[in-house]
Amino acid sequence: DIVMTQSPDSLAVSLGERATINCKSSQSLLYSSNNRDYLAWYQQKPGQPPKLLIYSASTRESGVPDRFSGSGSGTDFTLTISNLQAEDVAVYHCQQYFSIPVTFGQGTRLEIK
Amino acid sequence: QLQLQESGPGLVKPSETLSLTCSVSGDSISSSNHNWGWIRQPPGKGLEWIGSIHYSGSTYYNPSFRSRVTISVDTSKNQLYLKLPSVTAADMAIYYCAREREVHTYGRSHFAYWGQGALVAVSS
Repeated sequence: DIVMTQSPDSLAVSLGERATINCKSSQSLLYSSNNRDYLAWYQQKPGQPPKLLIYSASTRESGVPDRFSGSGSGTDFTLTISNLQAEDVAVYHCQQYFSIPVTFGQGTRLEIK
Repeated sequence: QLQLQESGPGLVKPSETLSLTCSVSGDSISSSNHNWGWIRQPPGKGLEWIGSIHYSGSTYYNPSFRSRVTISVDTSKNQLYLKLPSVTAADMAIYYCAREREVHTYGRSHFAYWGQGALVAVSS
């Protein structure tokens, strides 16, 4: 199984500042035939299901604010939240869908400082 | 608008079978080439993919569950099902059903639509 490791486990950022969450996979998620990284990011607020934010490492899902951006390739990925808003408080999960079983990171809890 | 709703017993005794239903509205399972999956989340922990199914009957399972779990679909009812026998305390979790975002993934899915989840406790 591909192991997904997120860092940090939690972070606190001031309103209006930038939050950065990292995700590392135990093997490359780059599919050579289409040059896509099979990596997604989700936001999960308390008591709610996960919400897809980013797929293919850097493509925002429809309706997701452009404050959310994804970057990286291969084994190292980053979710950046610019101009942090109060409603961004949540747990963020990365997920690889390069191979079965699809696997998730342990989650990163984002709070307001 | 696509909606998914999990239902089933909130409490299952150890060694018994966990059975959940996911009712889909706003999309037809039988006319969708998407896979439909089950994912669980133990309280305070991360997400774990259990498996996915296509309306044709093709299934994709997490090997960690393969010998235990059955995922099925009833296109006439527009529902999918999860059966997990011989549960233990480790199976206590919120169980989500979800639909993948893309088609023709052969189980290598990321999920754009999720139900609200069903909390299942395991206790005698």
